[in-house]
Formats: sequence, structure tokens, C-alpha cells
Amino acid sequence: GESVGLHLPTLSVQEGDNSIINCAYSNSASDYFIWYKQESGKGPQFIIDIRSNMDKRQGQRVTVLLNKTVKHLSLQIAATQPGDSAVYFCAENIGDYKLSFGAGTTVTVRA
Amino acid sequence: DTGVSQDPRHKITKRGQNVTFRCDPISEHNRLYWYRQTLGQGPEFLTYFQNEAQLEKSRLLSDRFSAERPKGSFSTLEIQRTEQGDSAMYLCASSSGQGARLDTEAFFGQGTRLTVV
Repeated sequence: GESVGLHLPTLSVQEGDNSIINCAYSNSASDYFIWYKQESGKGPQFIIDIRSNMDKRQGQRVTVLLNKTVKHLSLQIAATQPGDSAVYFCAENIGDYKLSFGAGTTVTVRA
Repeated sequence: DTGVSQDPRHKITKRGQNVTFRCDPISEHNRLYWYRQTLGQGPEFLTYFQNEAQLEKSRLLSDRFSAERPKGSFSTLEIQRTEQGDSAMYLCASSSGQGARLDTEAFFGQGTRLTVV
């Protein structure tokens, strides 16, 4: 399953399939990005980060891709599992102390 | 468990009352942040501490809000004369770093859910 375009608030994916969550960031000065996963009633959980001098970074079952030309970030989750159901946020740092968060994408995994 | 601890997890208060929340960051982290999150939205930055110094405050932080980090370890966020619009999840995060910007992992606590009735 894939959220296409700038942003889709929801993504439904079959268990076992790969998920792609997209995020468009606004500031060309942003040079550090983090993906967070947030389950209902809990705080955001760090998944993976990437700096602007990289195009790709891989973690366990997750890959983040950064396209600075079009200011686009994506999170790929391999072999999506029911425990991956959550809201996913991309966050950017524009060179100061804070993170700016996107609106989030709700991922629902179908059994 | 990220290691950032927040207390209480839930708080219900009457409008006009004062409330105080506590955050214990990851022990070796010198940076501490407060964010606010309303339903269906991403977290919004409120304020930032490097050690005990409060270096940045958002315009969202009205004069009814005050945050402290007296010894550079735990932090408190106080809201005076609460209003219904203050109902939100208040999140604390911490990170390490020495430079003038955030460029290392920031870990969040589980948040304090405030309901003003």
C-alpha cells in the first residue's frame, strides 16, 4: 500500500505487504528529519532519522528516502504487520532547536 | 519504553484551576522539550531547555504557561487558570547535543492528557 501525492491521511495495507508513507516538507533549509510512530494514547516513538547529506537510510524493516529536489520524504515498511497499525509522523528540523511535525498518516493493517 | 517519564498520565481539572506536569528526561540528555498535541494533529513545539536554561519559547506559550528545569534534570510545566482550550496531550522529549541545532534523536515520553471541564 502507498500514500500517494503530497499526503494522504489514511493508508490501508494488507498484512505482509510493503507500506510506503509519503511526506512533503515545506522548508528547503530543513536538514534533519525524523519519522515517528504514534499508537493511540501513547507518545510518539522514534523510528528512524536521516540527515540531508543522505538520500537513503535503512533500519530494521524500515527505509527512509529523502528527495531534497522536490522536498519529499518517504518511509517504507517491509512486510507490514498488525503491530505497525498507528499514526506515522514525519518531523523536520530547520536548523534550530525544534521539530516541525506534519499532519500524520494513519496506517491500518488488514489481516 | 523510551526512558522519558511523564507524570501524571491523565489529569482532569476544572476551568480556572492550576495544574503542574512533570517530565524526567533520559538521564544523559541535556536537552528537554515540551510539545502540545491536540486530537488529530501533530505535536506543536512549546519550549526548549538546554541544561537548566530555557532557550526558546513558542508563541503558543501564553503568560499562563510556565516551564522550569531548575537543576538541568527534570522539568515542570505549569498552566495557571486553565481554560477549556488547554485540553490536549502535553508531551515531553529529550535529546543530547552541544551545537546550536537539533541534530540527534529526540525521544518522547508517553505524555500527560489534560482535560479541562
